Parts: sequence; structure tokens; C-alpha cells
Amino acid sequence: AQSVTQPDIHITVSEGASLELRCNYSYGATPYLFWYVQSPGQGLQLLLKYFSGDTLVQGIKGFEAEFKRSQSSFNLRKPSVHWSDAAEYFCAVGAGSTLGRLYFGRGTQLTVWP
Amino acid sequence: NAGVTQTPKFQVLKTGQSMTLQCAQDMNHEYMSWYRQDPGMGLRLIHYSVGAGITDQGEVPNGYNVSRSTTEDFPLRLLSAAPSQTSVYFCASSYSGDRGQYFGPGTRLLVL
Repeated sequence: AQSVTQPDIHITVSEGASLELRCNYSYGATPYLFWYVQSPGQGLQLLLKYFSGDTLVQGIKGFEAEFKRSQSSFNLRKPSVHWSDAAEYFCAVGAGSTLGRLYFGRGTQLTVWP
Repeated sequence: NAGVTQTPKFQVLKTGQSMTLQCAQDMNHEYMSWYRQDPGMGLRLIHYSVGAGITDQGEVPNGYNVSRSTTEDFPLRLLSAAPSQTSVYFCASSYSGDRGQYFGPGTRLLVL
């Protein structure tokens, strides 16, 4: 069965520092991978997605993620965090068929210190 | 485009009451789904639909019913609300369920 693990429940970084949020997945075939962001009281917004091809994908708001098949990982990165990046981040994996659906990790809460 | 819309935004129910959470999308997406979000649990899939007239259960379907009579609408029904159903409910749609989904703003439900 598909599953997603986000090992860090809460991360705190200083504004301007770099950020890496970890995501590991379990899936037998080539997965479709996603990162979503949720600001307080809001819905989920898609940051970026990986379907195939280049393993380094660029997203919105200056985020990028790298797919590493050997490590079953899809970590999210940003070189310099802004205070407005404080939010909850969810990694998700797709089941890879037209009848598929997304499996979400439990989320990582990001706090940004000024 | 309004995208994915959900009503109501907030709702308080008493145990045993019934209600319907509405979800609509104007993107002509075939795939629609309902998730619930609870602290520390991420999003868990309740029910999903791959097109009008076709629905299936997700991870946590008990206590919820769905139907899909049109491409645009996918209501979620609570037949007899329980305190364990206190949660934030999100509706989502996409061209294919595993190709990334567009989420609505959510409905916060409190069951007393």
C-alpha cells in the first residue's frame, strides 16, 4: 500500500535561512509526487509536482524539490525563507492510475523567526 | 472560474443530526474527492468519484454518504452526526485523481 512519511512534525528556521522539508514515500511503481502548502484557516495550494523526467522540479514561491528514487524521497527546499512561508506543508503521492487518489503525509509545520 | 467551492464554511451540529456539505467545481473535472483533516493526521480520503454516477470509498468512509449526479457537484452527507466527525472537510477536484488536485476552502464542522 502507498504511504507517505514526513519525519518532522515541526521545524523552526530564521528568516533568510535555507529550508529543507523531508518526505519519504512507499510505492511499488514510479510515483506521482506533490507538495502542498496550507496557510492557517485556508485550503491547500499546490506548490509543485513530479510526474517524470528531470528529478529536480521547480515550483511556485521559490520552492524546489528533488526526486531521489534510490532513497524513496522527495524533499522540498528553499534557499532563503521569508516570514510569509510560515505554514503547514504536506507531501502527497499519487497511486498512478486513472482510478488513483492521493495519499498525504501528516504534515510539517514551519515556523519562521524574524 | 470560481474553482472549487464549498458551503457552508462553518457548521455546528448536535449529535444525531444530519446535514449535507456541498461541493461544486466549474473546471469540468471528472475526478472529485472528499477529505477530512484532523490535527496531526494529515488529510484522509473519505469518498471519491471518477465521474458522474461513479463513487467509491476511501480510507475513512464510515458515517458518510456521497452521490454524483452531475460532473459539477459532489455533496457529502452525514446521516447521523457524531462527535468523532468534528473536523475540517475539504473537497478537491482534478482531471485524474493522482495528477494533483485543486482544493476548496474547507468546511469546519463541530459536532456537540
